[in-house]
Parts: sequence; C-alpha cells; structure tokens
Amino acid sequence: AQSVTQLGSHVSVSEGALVLLRCNYSSSVPPYLFWYVQYPNQGLQLLLKYTSAATLVKGINGFEAEFKKSETSFHLTKPSAHMSDAAEYFCAVSPSGSQGNLIFGKGTKLSVKP
Amino acid sequence: DAGVIQSPRHEVTEMGQEVTLRCKPISGHDYLFWYRQTMMRGLELLIYFNNNVPIDDSGMPEDRFSAKMPNASFSTLKIQPSEPRDSAVYFCASSRPSTGRDEQYFGPGTRLTVT
Repeated sequence: AQSVTQLGSHVSVSEGALVLLRCNYSSSVPPYLFWYVQYPNQGLQLLLKYTSAATLVKGINGFEAEFKKSETSFHLTKPSAHMSDAAEYFCAVSPSGSQGNLIFGKGTKLSVKP
Repeated sequence: DAGVIQSPRHEVTEMGQEVTLRCKPISGHDYLFWYRQTMMRGLELLIYFNNNVPIDDSGMPEDRFSAKMPNASFSTLKIQPSEPRDSAVYFCASSRPSTGRDEQYFGPGTRLTVT
C-alpha cells in the first residue's frame, strides 16, 4: 500500500532562513506527488506537483521540491522564509498515478520567527 | 472559476440533531471527495465519488454518516444523529483526473461544532 511520511509535525525557522520540510513516500509504481499548503481557517491549496516530467519541481510562492527516487523522498524547500509562509504543509501521493484519491501525510506546521 | 463552494461555513448544533453539509464542485470535475480534519486525527478521507457514483466509503466513521451526489454539481454529507465527537472541519474537494491532472481543489470547509 502506498503511504506518505512527513518527518516533524512542527518546524520553526527564522525569517530569511532556509525552509526544509521532509516527505518520504512508499509506492510500488512511479507516483504522482503533491505538496499542499493550508493557511489558518482555510482549505488546502496546491503548492506544486510531480508527475515524472522533471525531478525538480517549482511551485508557487518560491517553493520547490525535488523528487529523489533512490531516497523515496520529495522534500519541500524555500531558500528564504517569509512571515507569510507560516502555515501547515501537507505532502500527498496519488495511489494510482492518474486518477482517484490522494493519500495525505499528517502535515507539518511551519512557524516563522521574526 | 468560483472554485469549490461549501455551505454553511460554520454550523453549531446540539447533540442528536441532524446536520447536512453541502458542496458544489468545480464545473467539469468528475471526482468529488469529502474529508474531515481534527487536531487529533489530522486529515481523513471519508468518501469519494466518480461521476456521481460512490467509489470508496471506507472512511465513513459509522452509519450515522451518509453522503449523496444526486448530480454532477451537488453533494451532501449528512450526520444523523450528531455527536460531540463529530466536531471537526469538513472539507469538500474536486478533481478532474481524466485530463491527467490529479490535483484536488479544496473548498473553504465547514466548521462543525456539536454541543
């Protein structure tokens, strides 16, 4: 069965520092992978997705993620954190690769200190 | 596009009452999902539909929960009778993977409080 593991339920960084949110997946077939962001009192919003076209995926708000098959990882990074990045981030995998439901990780709450 | 629309945004009800949550997916999307989010359990998939047909309802917690999708533009999630432990934020999402795009688009959620 496919699954997603997000290491660290809470991550705190200083404004301007590197953001690194970790996601590891298990999948028996090439997966589709996603990162979503949830701001307080809002629904989830797609940040970026990987569908095998390129291993480095750029998303909105300066975020990017790199697919590493050998490490079964899809970590999310941003070179310089901004206060507005404070939110909860979810990694997700598509079980079938092309349709159907997504399996979400438990989420990582990012805090940004001034 | 208006995005996924959910109503009501907030619902406060007493234990034992029936609660109906509503969702309008994005036009043209053929998959619809219902999720529940709590601090304790995180984001849980309750049920999802494809072309108005329920595909997987294994996440529905118990018989008190039911979901319908009478047409491509409307779905309901009903809880009868409601209990305090049902208090959560309920999200509806839709997608159109038939185009090769698997991302789900989420609504703003309904915050349910059962007292």
